[in-house]
Amino acid sequence: GAGVSQTPSNKVTEKGKYVELRCDPISGHTALYWYRQSLGQGPEFLIYFQGTGAADDSGLPNDRFFAVRPEGSVSTLKIQRTERGDSAVYLCASKLYMNTEAFFGQGTRLTVV
Amino acid sequence: ILNVEQSPQSLHVQEGDSTNFTCSFPSSNFYALHWYRWETAKSPEALFVMTLNGDEKKKGRISATLNTKEGYSYLYIKGSQPEDSATYLCAFSFKNRDDKIIFGKGTRLHILP
Repeated sequence: GAGVSQTPSNKVTEKGKYVELRCDPISGHTALYWYRQSLGQGPEFLIYFQGTGAADDSGLPNDRFFAVRPEGSVSTLKIQRTERGDSAVYLCASKLYMNTEAFFGQGTRLTVV
Repeated sequence: ILNVEQSPQSLHVQEGDSTNFTCSFPSSNFYALHWYRWETAKSPEALFVMTLNGDEKKKGRISATLNTKEGYSYLYIKGSQPEDSATYLCAFSFKNRDDKIIFGKGTRLHILP
């Protein structure tokens, strides 16, 4: 597809379970970002990748959160032992190179019950 | 701490009126300033990416200015229309982390018919 694709669009999980959120960036985009957006807040930075490597993961809230991008394209955000406070919209974006705009996916709405 | 501040948080404007809102960011280590529009149930969409002090950019009825020395940007909307109702996000990237993009909380704009 032409845009950034995120799956699933909605995910409801029980507290304590493991979840994986997937992001398919625009083909050829080297930079990939994960953000979390809670109600009334702006997108909160989690991690970004340049190619396969995490260039900055300082926004990951704790060691329950982990993200990979093994082939420099698709990325997976993994959350272990989910908590109710993890409920949010998780946004993915990709970018071609510096000083260009980022393109966002539609987000995954995660609800932990 | 590198914060992006946006004001006001929320704004109601009569259809046909013009309006503007502010983004402030750290003036040191500036690299680029982004504006995005985020409509309900859609992905954030880039409006502008600006890098140079004094930059002014325009897209239709929307324009933006940039002052990197004092650390602020203004977004202007001329002759507001109902389709302008959205959250406007400002984001900042900085030297030495030039692909890390930090967002403000946004200004929620409501156009009143």
